[in-house]
Amino acid sequence: GAGVSQSPRYKVAKRGQDVALRCDPISGHVSLFWYQQALGQGPEFLTYFQNEAQLDKSGLPSDRFFAERPEGSVSTLKIQRTQQEDSAVYLCASSSFMNTEAFFGQGTRLTVV
Amino acid sequence: KNEVEQSPQNLTAQEGEFITINCSYSVGISALHWLQQHPGGGIVSLFMLSSGKKKHGRLIATINIQEKHSSLHITASHPRDSAVYICAGKAAGNKLTFGGGTRVLVKP
Repeated sequence: GAGVSQSPRYKVAKRGQDVALRCDPISGHVSLFWYQQALGQGPEFLTYFQNEAQLDKSGLPSDRFFAERPEGSVSTLKIQRTQQEDSAVYLCASSSFMNTEAFFGQGTRLTVV
Repeated sequence: KNEVEQSPQNLTAQEGEFITINCSYSVGISALHWLQQHPGGGIVSLFMLSSGKKKHGRLIATINIQEKHSSLHITASHPRDSAVYICAGKAAGNKLTFGGGTRVLVKP
């Protein structure tokens, strides 16, 4: 596709369940970002990849959050033992390189019940 | 303390009015994104600018580097412009720091 694609669009998880969120960036984009957006708030940075290297994971809120991009293209954000406070929209963005415009996916709305 | 501050938080306008959203940012931010987010939708990048002014259709974005301030203007506003507008600063490490967003409602 032409844009950043995220799946699933919506995910409902029971508390304690593990979830995996997928991001397909624009083909050829080197940089990939994950953001978390709680209801009514602006997005907050989670982690950043340049190709397959995770250069910054300072925004991951706990060790239950794990992200990977093994081949430098598709990325997966995994949340283990989900908690209610994990409920948010998870946004993925990609850009061709540093100092270039970022393109965002539609997001995955995670609801933990 | 957030490095990017937006105002106002909410804005209601009548169709046709000129709208301005302001964004102030701190030292260390090298470029500003203006983004649009519709309810239930993803984020669309409107502009990225590090100096001067950019225009696209009825949207105009300006940035004053010395004052660390940027504005997004919507001319001849239309109900379809109703959305949340977010400014985001690009800092070291290439990550974005987001403002809290401005919820714009344009009434017909």
